[in-house]
Amino acid sequence: GNSVTQMEGPVTLSEEAFLTINCTYTATGYPSLFWYVQYPGEGLQLLLKATKADDKGSNKGFEATYRKETTSFHLEKGSVQVSDSAVYFCALSENYGQNFVFGPGTRLSVLP
Amino acid sequence: DTGVSQDPRHKITKRGQNVTFRCDPISEHNRLYWYRQTLGQGPEFLTYFQNEAQLEKSRLLSDRFSAERPKGSFSTLEIQRTEQGDSAMYLCASSFPTSGSDEQYFGPGTRLTVT
Repeated sequence: GNSVTQMEGPVTLSEEAFLTINCTYTATGYPSLFWYVQYPGEGLQLLLKATKADDKGSNKGFEATYRKETTSFHLEKGSVQVSDSAVYFCALSENYGQNFVFGPGTRLSVLP
Repeated sequence: DTGVSQDPRHKITKRGQNVTFRCDPISEHNRLYWYRQTLGQGPEFLTYFQNEAQLEKSRLLSDRFSAERPKGSFSTLEIQRTEQGDSAMYLCASSFPTSGSDEQYFGPGTRLTVT
């Protein structure tokens, strides 16, 4: 079956540091890939997405590129802020959302 | 605000009792999903509806769980004879799938505690 693997957290960084959160996936077809974010006390929000190989999703300074050859969708940000502290979930979807699978989440803490 | 709403936000119940949760999706969305999330884990898919039809159910959804979406709008998730292992956050999401993607919008969740 489909699955998503993320780097274990927690990840603790200083403000303005570079962020990478690794995500790899296993899928039988050609999924869409997503990063969702969950801020403390809030619901899951879509951060960015990519629907086909080599697409780059970006939002709020975060980027991730759909790499079919390495089955990866790593999340990056050049300079993190304290307000980026949250849990980040990588996810995939096949068949227009019928098989939506989330990774376990990576907690990010950014210190001032 | 016209996002996904869930009610109640918190529910504490004793083992063996029945509980029911409600989800109101974004009005134009025809798909509605239920997930369960335990501490430190990502959401796990339970079931989803397209309009009023329940199209898929996870093996996680035991016979004690039942979901309905009678008019293709709001949905309810009922858990009968609750067990302590049912304690979790229950998330609802909705979407309007278009060619190439299906972005899901999540509600704030209902946190269930079974004592």
